[in-house]
Amino acid sequence: AQTVTQSQPEMSVQEAETVTLSCTYDTSESDYYLFWYKQPPSRQMILVIRQEAYKQQNATENRFSVNFQKAAKSFSLKISDSQLGDAAMYFCLTQGGSEKLVFGKGTKLTVNP
Amino acid sequence: DTGVSQDPRHKITKRGQNVTFRCDPISEHNRLYWYRQTLGQGPEFLTYFQNEAQLEKSRLLSDRFSAERPKGSFSTLEIQRTEQGDSAMYLCASSPSHDEQFFGPGTRLTVL
Repeated sequence: AQTVTQSQPEMSVQEAETVTLSCTYDTSESDYYLFWYKQPPSRQMILVIRQEAYKQQNATENRFSVNFQKAAKSFSLKISDSQLGDAAMYFCLTQGGSEKLVFGKGTKLTVNP
Repeated sequence: DTGVSQDPRHKITKRGQNVTFRCDPISEHNRLYWYRQTLGQGPEFLTYFQNEAQLEKSRLLSDRFSAERPKGSFSTLEIQRTEQGDSAMYLCASSPSHDEQFFGPGTRLTVL
């Protein structure tokens, strides 16, 4: 079974500052994917960033980057130069061994102007 | 194609009634997924189709729930004899491969 734990129900950041969202996971799979998705208020869920577990290099997408620590089963998301449009619910997910995504409970990010 | 669409966006029903939701995936995607999201929680997997074949079902999908994808394109999720505990957002997603899933806007169900 796979589990995902997001220990920060809520986080806040000042506009233009950097914030890190934490995620730990557990899986018995040797080959799996990790994702961060965001869900803005009343809008649909969209992919932020993905990481293949076999890749040692941390994924980066513009202002978004991850710190993937495979041995520690940790997958944190760093948002640099935060913008008001980054305010959303952020979900950490894992996928491996089957098609289903396993979600964490989410972290609500508030961006203060 | 503008993405995954779901219909209706909101549904209010009385306990005991049947409801059906529709999902239209992105046209070239052969994989389709249903999830349920309750308030304050992350989505939970319900079921998965590859083309018209339903390949995986969660234990959350009780006998009152049934999903179909008859021609490998759109999918329907039916809930019979709805209960108040069925109130949730029902999300549909599609994917071209074992990778990123593209989500629809969801159908919010309220059972009175």
